[in-house]
Amino acid sequence: GQQVMQIPQYQHVQEGEDFTTYCNSSTTLSNIQWYKQRPGGHPVFLIQLVKSGEVKKQKRLTFQFGEAKKNSSLHITATQTTDVGTYFCASYNQGGKLIFGQGTELSVKP
Amino acid sequence: DSGVTQTPKHLITATGQRVTLRCSPRSGDLSVYWYQQSLDQGLQFLIQYYNGEERAKGNILERFSAQQFPDLHSELNLSSLELGDSALYFCASSASGTRDRTQYFGPGTRLLVL
Repeated sequence: GQQVMQIPQYQHVQEGEDFTTYCNSSTTLSNIQWYKQRPGGHPVFLIQLVKSGEVKKQKRLTFQFGEAKKNSSLHITATQTTDVGTYFCASYNQGGKLIFGQGTELSVKP
Repeated sequence: DSGVTQTPKHLITATGQRVTLRCSPRSGDLSVYWYQQSLDQGLQFLIQYYNGEERAKGNILERFSAQQFPDLHSELNLSSLELGDSALYFCASSASGTRDRTQYFGPGTRLLVL
């Protein structure tokens, strides 16, 4: 079945450094969603990308969907301590199930 | 606050027991999803209900069952509990039928089986 691979599993950065997490699939994705889960919290929807090559920005966060719709990335510029958490990519498969990547846990050292 | 509520927040029980987790979706959302999150398995989709009907099934054990009631709240029943069932259980809801199908997660129920 459809799998979404996410790397890296962990990322430790100094405050002010940039951060990127990548999501890859062997099959074409209909869409890609990104969620953030703060420590002890629940996943919170960030954004959805649908079109090939789509790029969306939310303040310091930049989301990209690959031209072939098989990969996606989330880039955070100049990380802050409030960015701490686990970032998940997810995509709906043909059966209508939302398949999550394993997540990238971001820690930010002040 | 996502608008999705889950009770209880924490649950401690013993192996072999049965528990029921409850979820109320956001106002107007017809779909309810259940997920299990454990350290080694990540977020695993269990089951989806739409307007009272089962819509999709994931890796849900036979010992687990769920239902959605006419008022759209949902319950996840876990029986013959094993140590490995200890996890965070999330409920999410969405306004299925719309294009984006954004899922809004509740705060979760943390289950500990001793």
